[in-house]
Amino acid sequence: GEDVEQSLFLSVREGDSSVINCTYTDSSSTYLYWYKQEPGAGLQLLTYIFSNMDMKQDQRLTVLLNKKDKHLSLRIADTQTGDSAIYFCAERTGGFKTIFGAGTRLFVKA
Amino acid sequence: NAGVTQTPKFRVLKTGQSMTLLCAQDMNHEYMYWYRQDPGMGLRLIHYSVGEGTTAKGEVPDGYNVSRLKKQNFLLGLESAAPSQTSVYFCASSYLERGDGYTFGSGTRLTVV
Repeated sequence: GEDVEQSLFLSVREGDSSVINCTYTDSSSTYLYWYKQEPGAGLQLLTYIFSNMDMKQDQRLTVLLNKKDKHLSLRIADTQTGDSAIYFCAERTGGFKTIFGAGTRLFVKA
Repeated sequence: NAGVTQTPKFRVLKTGQSMTLLCAQDMNHEYMYWYRQDPGMGLRLIHYSVGEGTTAKGEVPDGYNVSRLKKQNFLLGLESAAPSQTSVYFCASSYLERGDGYTFGSGTRLTVV
């Protein structure tokens, strides 16, 4: 069945780059997403990539998509303490439904 | 823009009580969704709606009912609350065809004792 997997924790130092990885199973995915959830809040869409793209850059964020390996990554350059949050990978399957991973909790050490 | 508004933000129920969670969106989105978030399990889809007057079951629908009488509102009901329904509930909405993701509400934290 459809599944999205990501590691649960990542710890980085302030100023370093963070790379959060995700794998998915549905080869018919049309869009892939990264959402950010801060404590006590809902998910907020950070960025997304269409499945026929390899890379998308948006300021400090870089998304890489390896469709052959069904691997998605989010790189945050110059990570700040304000980037501490849970990051969810998600894939939109052939219809309109979106499957979410369990989330990666990013800790940024000052 | 308010986006997606959920009420209430917090609620404590006794086992067997019923309640309704309200979700309202002002973006004219066709699709609306109810998810629950539990530690280590990510988001699980409870029910969804593809338009006014239509609803469908998601991954974990048992114990919940929904209604979408107006396009902007999506209600989630718990008929007889159980401790297993203790969770954070999120409502989300999206456009029909566009791929630009979901807009989420800020969540309702429900505790069933």
